[in-house]
Amino acid sequence: SQKIEQNSEALNIQEGKTATLTCNYTNYSPAYLQWYRQDPGRGPVFLLLIRENEKEKRKERLKVTFDTTLKQSLFHITASQPADSATYLCALVNSGNTPLVFGKGTRLSVIA
Amino acid sequence: DAGITQSPRHKVTETGTPVTLRCHQTENHRYMYWYRQDPGHGLRLIHYSYGVKDTDKGEVSDGYSVSRSKTEDFLLTLESATSSQTSVYFCAISDGTSANYGYTFGSGTRLTVV
Repeated sequence: SQKIEQNSEALNIQEGKTATLTCNYTNYSPAYLQWYRQDPGRGPVFLLLIRENEKEKRKERLKVTFDTTLKQSLFHITASQPADSATYLCALVNSGNTPLVFGKGTRLSVIA
Repeated sequence: DAGITQSPRHKVTETGTPVTLRCHQTENHRYMYWYRQDPGHGLRLIHYSYGVKDTDKGEVSDGYSVSRSKTEDFLLTLESATSSQTSVYFCAISDGTSANYGYTFGSGTRLTVV
């Protein structure tokens, strides 16, 4: 069956450290993958999109990698801050023009 | 959220009654989507639209219908609400296909079916 797994439900890290969140997928062949941030009581907010021919994408303190051989995307937040505490969702485009399929998310807590 | 509004924000309804949720956008985006979000399941696609009067089913479409008669409005109707449809419903819009564009989400509608 098709699955998108995000490494853990919750991740706690110390302020200033790099947070690394994992998104693994099974029985998908996505050409595109997106990451979103969601705060409690709010809708998700788009962060980054990465294509299968792009190994890495950066935006300020954020970095995303996409390894189609490992069927995995890694999402890094460097120099993490308490304000980065949120749930982070990965989403992939399975084929063509189909809508996004979302993982369940990882709740990140950055502790001061 | 700028450019996209959902109404109502909260609703309590009784089992068996029809319910309509509204998504309104001012961005003139072609694509619109309805997702529901439940603990343990994440976001799941209900229906989506790729243009006026052009809609398609998602993963969890049973018990739901949609209409899009204007670019700016996408309505989700629960034909006969059941307790299993208690959820938070999110509308999203995008300027193009998921391959090239991120989605902008609304603030959500929290629906409780009693």
